[in-house]
Amino acid sequence: EVQLVESGGGLVQPGGSLRLSCAASGFTFSRHWMTWVRQAPGKGLEWVANIKEDGREKFYVDSVKGRFTISRDNANNVLYLQMNSLRAEDTAVYYCARNIAYSWECWGQGSLVAVSS
Amino acid sequence: QSALTQPASVSGSPGQSIAISCTGTNSDVGNYDLVSWYQQHPGKAPKLIIFEVSKWPSGVSNRFSGSKSGNTASLTISGLQAEDEADYYCCSYAAGSTYVFGTGTKVTVL
Repeated sequence: EVQLVESGGGLVQPGGSLRLSCAASGFTFSRHWMTWVRQAPGKGLEWVANIKEDGREKFYVDSVKGRFTISRDNANNVLYLQMNSLRAEDTAVYYCARNIAYSWECWGQGSLVAVSS
Repeated sequence: QSALTQPASVSGSPGQSIAISCTGTNSDVGNYDLVSWYQQHPGKAPKLIIFEVSKWPSGVSNRFSGSKSGNTASLTISGLQAEDEADYYCCSYAAGSTYVFGTGTKVTVL
């Protein structure tokens, strides 16, 4: 069974850092682009970042460029999102998702990140 | 990277058909046949229901259908059922290997 499980969310102060992890199982992780999507409370979905199969190409939404870093460990089937200089507007549920045909057919359950003093 | 425009809400009676529009620009919807649609029930992760404008993932009902004309994509739900009540989001591939989601549409089954 294909499964994605996020962890690492929590409450952090503005300006702080947090690293999200997404453990993948049930498929060949190294053969898929992977993506982070977020959803602020009561709001819509927002694409955040994605990373190529080998980790050599990474792309970000403008609002997180220079602050967030997506990475992956293909040996251990884990996707990461390092979030620095966090702002209140980064408060959201963060989902990891597996890419297929420029869409996402497998999603994690989400990890809540709350940025507040 | 502006969000694609969707109607805030659409409603219909059981058995009816409804359509949800998704309007973008020449840089996203109009330039790529790479529009996908997602259904999201409250408190749940999104579920892919259409990819590449009009294709169905395995296991998704063919009551959902997608199309595109110019800068506007559309999702049609036929034979509306109570379980279709949810939020729906379109998404398009855009320039520079980025993606943009729609603003979301709440579907209510009357």
